Amino acid sequence: QLQLQESGPGLVKPSETLSLTCTVSGGSMSSSSYYWGWIRQPPGKGLEWIGSIYYSGGTIYYNPSLKGRVTISVDTSKGQFSLRLNSVTAADTAVYYCARGVRVRVSSQSSWFDPWGQGTPVTVSS
Amino acid sequence: EIVLTQSPGTLSLSPGERATLSCRASQSVSSSYLAWYQQKPGQAPRLLIYGASSRAIGIPDRFSGSGSGTDFTVTISRLEPEDFAVYYCQQYGTSPWTFGQGTKVEIK
Repeated sequence: QLQLQESGPGLVKPSETLSLTCTVSGGSMSSSSYYWGWIRQPPGKGLEWIGSIYYSGGTIYYNPSLKGRVTISVDTSKGQFSLRLNSVTAADTAVYYCARGVRVRVSSQSSWFDPWGQGTPVTVSS
Repeated sequence: EIVLTQSPGTLSLSPGERATLSCRASQSVSSSYLAWYQQKPGQAPRLLIYGASSRAIGIPDRFSGSGSGTDFTVTISRLEPEDFAVYYCQQYGTSPWTFGQGTKVEIK
């Protein structure tokens, strides 16, 4: 059974860079059927898709709302993909989830998310 | 981006009752690429429905999804105690993928 687990600092200072890693176990990342994504949820609020990456790293797409602050990378040899978010503010305080994006077909970027990691809370504060 | 509006914000029902949750999109969702998730406190979202009406593996048949275009619905035919949670819709037809703000189903 595929499992995902987020890891990284729970506290980041304003203006610094948030860095998280998602470790995938119980299955291979190297499938054309999937993307690998990050989603976040501010306290008491809804969900926001951050971005997704193909296992080769050759295709990455981001939510424009993050205005170029985000970078997602992948290391399939370690079974991991990572998130970096620059210039963080209090508005970036959230639970960050990684998830597998299931593509509707091999030629499409469109994907729903299943399964999800348990999530990791990140607070931006000095 | 496509804005998803869920209604009602909160649904107060008793176990055994039928729950109907709505998700309305600001523009047509391509190919009915709409999913529903259930989230319980302190847990990650769990996929219930994809493609507007296909149940995910392991999801009981009391959950059903319907709709197309801009209007989608998930129905829980008879609420079980474990169904009281927050439900989110997500569209994945047009990037950026977006989620609704959620509907909380609470025990009356």
